[in-house]
Amino acid sequence: SQTIHQWPATLVQPVGSPLSLECTVEGTSNPNLYWYRQAAGRGLQLLFYSVGIGQISSEVPQNLSASRPQDRQFILSSKKLLLSDSGFYLCAWKPGLALDEQFFGPGTRLTVL
Amino acid sequence: SQQGEEDPQALSIQEGENATMNCSYKTSINNLQWYRQNSGRGLVHLILIRSNEREKHSGRLRVTLDTSKKSSSLLITASRAADTASYFCATDQNFNKFYFGSGTKLNVKP
Repeated sequence: SQTIHQWPATLVQPVGSPLSLECTVEGTSNPNLYWYRQAAGRGLQLLFYSVGIGQISSEVPQNLSASRPQDRQFILSSKKLLLSDSGFYLCAWKPGLALDEQFFGPGTRLTVL
Repeated sequence: SQQGEEDPQALSIQEGENATMNCSYKTSINNLQWYRQNSGRGLVHLILIRSNEREKHSGRLRVTLDTSKKSSSLLITASRAADTASYFCATDQNFNKFYFGSGTKLNVKP
C-alpha cells in the first residue's frame, strides 16, 4: 500500500533562516506531487506541483521554492524565511494521469519568529 | 480565481441531525472532491463526483453537483460527534491541479 511521509512534524525557525521540508511517497511510481500551505483556520493554498522528476510548476510567486530530485521525493525550501511563511504545510500525491483523489501527508507546522 | 468557496463557514448541530455544506466555484471543472480535516491533521478524501454526474452517495454522505450553477453540496446524515471536523471542497482546473475552498467548520454536539 502507498504511504506518504512528511518531516519534520513541527518546526520553529527565526526570520531570515533557511528552510527545508521533505516529503516522500512509498508504494507508487511516477506520482503527481503537491505542496500546499494552510494559514490558521483557512483553506489550502496550492504552492507547487510536480508531474515528474525535475518538473516543478509554481502557483504563487513567493519566498519559497520546490524541487523533485527523485521520483517520490518532493522538497520545499526557502533561503530566508519571512514571518508570513508561518503556517501548516501539507504535501500530497495522486496517481499521475488519473482522475482521482489526492492523498495527504500529516503536515508540518512551521512557526517563524 | 477558480477556488471553490464553502458555505457556511461554520455549522453547529446536535448529534443525529443532518449537516449540509455548500460549495461554489467559478470555472468549468472535470471533477469536484470533498475532503475532511480533523484539527491539525492532514486531509482525508471523502468523495469525488465527476462533472457528468449529478449525485453520489457513500455511506452517510450524499454529494450533489449542479454544473449549471457551479455549485455542489455535501450532506452528512445522522451526524455523530466524530464528524466534527472541517470540510473542504476541491475543484480541478485540469487533471493535475486542484483548488480548495476555505472550508466549513462543523461542530456536532453530543
